[in-house]
Amino acid sequence: AQKITQTQPGMFVQEKEAVTLDCTYDTSDQSYGLFWYKQPSSGEMIFLIYQGSYDEQNATEGRYSLNFQKARKSANLVISASQLGDSAMYFCAMREPPFSGGYNKLIFGAGTRLAVHP
Amino acid sequence: DTGVSQDPRHKITKRGQNVTFRCDPISEHNRLYWYRQTLGQGPEFLTYFQNEAQLEKSRLLSDRFSAERPKGSFSTLEIQRTEQGDSAMYLCASSLERGTGAPVGDTEAFFGQGTRLTVV
Repeated sequence: AQKITQTQPGMFVQEKEAVTLDCTYDTSDQSYGLFWYKQPSSGEMIFLIYQGSYDEQNATEGRYSLNFQKARKSANLVISASQLGDSAMYFCAMREPPFSGGYNKLIFGAGTRLAVHP
Repeated sequence: DTGVSQDPRHKITKRGQNVTFRCDPISEHNRLYWYRQTLGQGPEFLTYFQNEAQLEKSRLLSDRFSAERPKGSFSTLEIQRTEQGDSAMYLCASSLERGTGAPVGDTEAFFGQGTRLTVV
C-alpha cells in the first residue's frame, strides 16, 4: 500500500531565506505522481507543484521546486525566498495510478506547519 | 466558474441529527472526490465519482454516510445520525480525466474550501 511520510511537524524560517520540507513515500508501483499542496488557515488546499515518476528533471513552479530522488523515494519541497504569506500547512501527496486498482485518489502525509518569521 | 465551491462553510449540529453538504466542482471536470480531514492530520479519501457513477468508497465511509452526484454535476454528502467523531473538515476536489491516452497523473485535483462540521 502507498504511504506518505512527513517527519517535520513544524518548521521555522526567516523571511527571504530558503526552506526545505521533507517528504518520503512508499509504493511498489513504477508509475505514480507526487504533489505538494498548501493549506492556509482558511482551509482550502492550494496546489503547488507536481512531479511524475518518469520525469527526469525536478519540477519547478516559481519559488517552489521539488527535489525528487527516486532511488531514495523522497520528494522534498524547496521554497526559495520565503515570504510571510508562506506560513501555512504543507502536505505532500501521492496519486495512485489507475491500473493499481485505485482511481487516482490522493494519499496525503500528516503535513508540516511552516512559520515564516520577519 | 472560478473553482470548486462547497456549502456550507461551517456546520454545527447536535449529535444524532442528519447533515448534508454540497460540492459544486469545476464545470468541465468529470472526476469528483470527497475527503475528510481531522485536526492535525492530512486529508483522507472517502469516495470518488466519475461523472455520475460512484466508483470507489473508503472503509471510512460507514453506512451512515451516503454520497450522490446526480447528472454528473454537483455532489452531496449526507451524514445520518451524526456522532462526535464525525467532527472534521470535509473537502471536495475535482479533476479532469483526459482519456486513456493521457499520461498518468497529468492533472492535479482542485480543492474547495471545505465544510467544517462540529458535532456537539
